[in-house]
Amino acid sequence: GEDVEQSLFLSVREGDSSVISCTYTDSSSTYLYWYKQEPGAGLQLLTYIFSNMDMKQDQRLTVLLNKKDKHLSLRIADTQTGDSAIYFCAELYSSASKIIFGSGTRLSIRP
Amino acid sequence: NAGVTQTPKFRVLKTGQSMTLLCAQDMNHEYMYWYRQDPGMGLRLIHYSVGEGTTAKGEVPDGYNVSRLKKQNFLLGLESAAPSQTSVYFCASSHLTDTQYFGPGTRLTVL
Repeated sequence: GEDVEQSLFLSVREGDSSVISCTYTDSSSTYLYWYKQEPGAGLQLLTYIFSNMDMKQDQRLTVLLNKKDKHLSLRIADTQTGDSAIYFCAELYSSASKIIFGSGTRLSIRP
Repeated sequence: NAGVTQTPKFRVLKTGQSMTLLCAQDMNHEYMYWYRQDPGMGLRLIHYSVGEGTTAKGEVPDGYNVSRLKKQNFLLGLESAAPSQTSVYFCASSHLTDTQYFGPGTRLTVL
């Protein structure tokens, strides 16, 4: 079935790296996404990766894709208080032209 | 360029009342989507549309109807609201199956 799984919570110290990960089910997914949701706001696209890539870097963000294990991760370097949010992993479910979202990982930053 | 807008931002209904949520996008996107977001459950797709005049069911379509009479608008209707429909509703649009862009959300409470 269609499913994207993520852990619900992550706590890191300010200045450390955060690694948020998810697993997905559709091996034929062409796009995988990371969205950020701040309190009371909508979802904001952070980054995405094509399925023919293993890694994508964008400033403090690094996305790693392991297609064999269907595992996607988002690394945030030098985590700041402004990074506190819920992070959603999503995959483009190619057979049905829709995007399936994970339940979100709440990232909290401690001083 | 406003992106994706939603009307209203907040609404309180009594059980059995009806209402319509409006989503508008100015990016000339073909695809539009309605999601609901509940605590700990991530985003679930209610209905989506792949073009003007077309609609399709998502994961949780029961109790909702949609219409896409104009390319830029996607309406979500609740014919007889129930407390189980208390949620935050997000609209999104995309160019075909590319990245989805989200509206700010509508918080609906059904008493």
